[in-house]
Amino acid sequence: GAGVSQSPRYKVAKRGQDVALRCDPISGHVSLFWYQQALGQGPEFLTYFQNEAQLDKSGLPSDRFFAERPEGSVSTLKIQRTQQEDSAVYLCASSLALAGATTDTQYFGPGTRLTVL
Amino acid sequence: AQSVAQPEDQVNVAEGNPLTVKCTYSVSGNPYLFWYVQYPNRGLQFLLKYITGDNLVKGSYGFEAEFNKSQTSFHLKKPSALVSDSALYFCAVRDMSGAGSYQLTFGKGTKLSVIP
Repeated sequence: GAGVSQSPRYKVAKRGQDVALRCDPISGHVSLFWYQQALGQGPEFLTYFQNEAQLDKSGLPSDRFFAERPEGSVSTLKIQRTQQEDSAVYLCASSLALAGATTDTQYFGPGTRLTVL
Repeated sequence: AQSVAQPEDQVNVAEGNPLTVKCTYSVSGNPYLFWYVQYPNRGLQFLLKYITGDNLVKGSYGFEAEFNKSQTSFHLKKPSALVSDSALYFCAVRDMSGAGSYQLTFGKGTKLSVIP
């Protein structure tokens, strides 16, 4: 596709359920990022992949959050035992080259709005 | 640590008038600065960025931004606002001198309303 796609667009989960959010980056993009956007706030960094390697997961709020990108393309953000404070929009972004070495622009997907009841 | 401040939660402007959305930043090294726009139920769309060089940066949809190092500001501007410009605008910074320089740090956003 032409841009970053994410699925599902909306997810409602009961507290305690596990969820999986998918990101399809722009084809050929090396770098992939996940951000969390709480209501009324700007996005906050969660984690960064360079190809299949997860180089930074410092922004993940707890060990209930897990991300993977096994083949260096599609990525999945998994949240185990969801809690109400996990309710947010989860944004995925990709950029063409190595993010730390260039002035690359990150291109964002439409996001997944997660609501935990 | 890097940070971004967008001092106005909301900006209202009449259609056809010039608009300014303010942004100030704090980094320890050299900043790379970005503006993104977010329409309802959509992701962030890239507008423009400042890396180096000319302090006036031109971007998509007639928007431009001026980098001011002494004031640590990167205000977004447009000479003539359109109703379709109404959206949420985010300023973001990357500190290219530190670890984790790939991380974007965003402001809280400014809601722009263009009144017909």
